[in-house]
Amino acid sequence: DTGVSQNPRHKITKRGQNVTFRCDPISEHNRLYWYRQTLGQGPEFLTYFQNEAQLEKSRLLSDRFSAERPKGSFSTLEIQRTEQGDSAMYLCASIRSGESYEQYFGPGTRLTVT
Amino acid sequence: GQQVMQIPQYQHVQEGEDFTTYCNSSTTLSNIQWYKQRPGGHPVFLIQLVKSGEVKKQKRLTFQFGEAKKNSSLHITATQTTDVGTYFCAGPGGGSYIPTFGRGTSLIVHP
Repeated sequence: DTGVSQNPRHKITKRGQNVTFRCDPISEHNRLYWYRQTLGQGPEFLTYFQNEAQLEKSRLLSDRFSAERPKGSFSTLEIQRTEQGDSAMYLCASIRSGESYEQYFGPGTRLTVT
Repeated sequence: GQQVMQIPQYQHVQEGEDFTTYCNSSTTLSNIQWYKQRPGGHPVFLIQLVKSGEVKKQKRLTFQFGEAKKNSSLHITATQTTDVGTYFCAGPGGGSYIPTFGRGTSLIVHP
């Protein structure tokens, strides 16, 4: 158990619907990352936060994707007007600030868009 | 942008054989991490290498970071069925805090 939790674990939605995923990092970890992973690929970086500040969001896949981390605690990733191509595993990871890049991943949210 | 390549993509071995996966970055890395992802699971951190030419060992696993800090390898001695999974390398290039993951090497161990 890494200590990072994600909810829901699975989400099935119809094309065009909005979905929101939640990530609760390890409490003392200041940096939080969101990734997308498709079959046979490594995690693909989407965005990250240092405390509540979103320091990189240019890699979000389109303007339908947005993320927040209010108060520097949990984070949410929202996808608006979902498309079938959004079907993937969405992973969250957290890092304690400092020189280490040791990432603790959550179990992920598997999104299926029908 | 930064690219991280891993080879091979798949490796089948008989239990007891050795296994090596290689990771190459298009840019110099400040550090590199290795992760293992079991089927149906999420990536789990194995190790971080920081220094040029660094070698670290964890039981049967040996990790190396190249002198130029652009490549790395993971070697497993005498594989066991518990080693099954996909091994990813990841590294931030250009001084960023954004890690780029390779596609991974999937290890299949036949008993």
